Amino acid sequence: QSALTQPPSASGSPGQSVTISCTGTSSDVGAYNYVSWYQQHPGKAPKLIIYEVTKRPSGVPDRFSGSKSGNTASLTVSGLQAGDEADYYCSSYAGSSNLSVFGTGTKVTVL
Amino acid sequence: EVQLVETGGGLIQPGGSVRLSCAASGFSVSSNYMSWVRQGPGRGLEWVSIIYSDGTTYYADSVKGRFTISRDKSKNTLYLQMNSLRLEDAAVYYCARTVVGGTHFDYWGQGTLVTVSS
Repeated sequence: QSALTQPPSASGSPGQSVTISCTGTSSDVGAYNYVSWYQQHPGKAPKLIIYEVTKRPSGVPDRFSGSKSGNTASLTVSGLQAGDEADYYCSSYAGSSNLSVFGTGTKVTVL
Repeated sequence: EVQLVETGGGLIQPGGSVRLSCAASGFSVSSNYMSWVRQGPGRGLEWVSIIYSDGTTYYADSVKGRFTISRDKSKNTLYLQMNSLRLEDAAVYYCARTVVGGTHFDYWGQGTLVTVSS
């Protein structure tokens, strides 16, 4: 199972928005509405911020939103804040035996 | 409060073995799906293995036949037995509570570092 493709980096100024893409195949992203997104600060564990394409866990600000079209999912971070500077990983369910595949990761920089 | 604490990492020689532990609190390991996810140095996340609440297990192709996931209900602890270790197995290993169906990981431990080197 190949990793999902994400851009290596993205950036924006405080208050702006940034959108990260996550491209898979018809066997993972395109097959299921089970895309999730994780935020990882340096030296820390990943934190779930989006699940089932568009849903936010309790406590995650609505500045984080997700969407999907075909084999590509996207994460948008609106109203960028300094604390949003982190690595972001997408993940997709990939079937009952391969389970989960992660994206290559995107480093978001707040300028 | 849900907490996951991994232990057991260290410096292991190629071909060696190690067992990682993940002690859980705030929920039952045996009643949930649990996974191991690893992150190589400077690299992205890679799903390694999952154990369902009914005991069914699955593995990534890269570790199949070498790693074994298990749990101890009485200790509320998840394990990963890693045998025949290779250089490319070096990583931070995270345990993660996994939503039923394996669709996403809602709680993560802080990770334990496994270094494979002679």
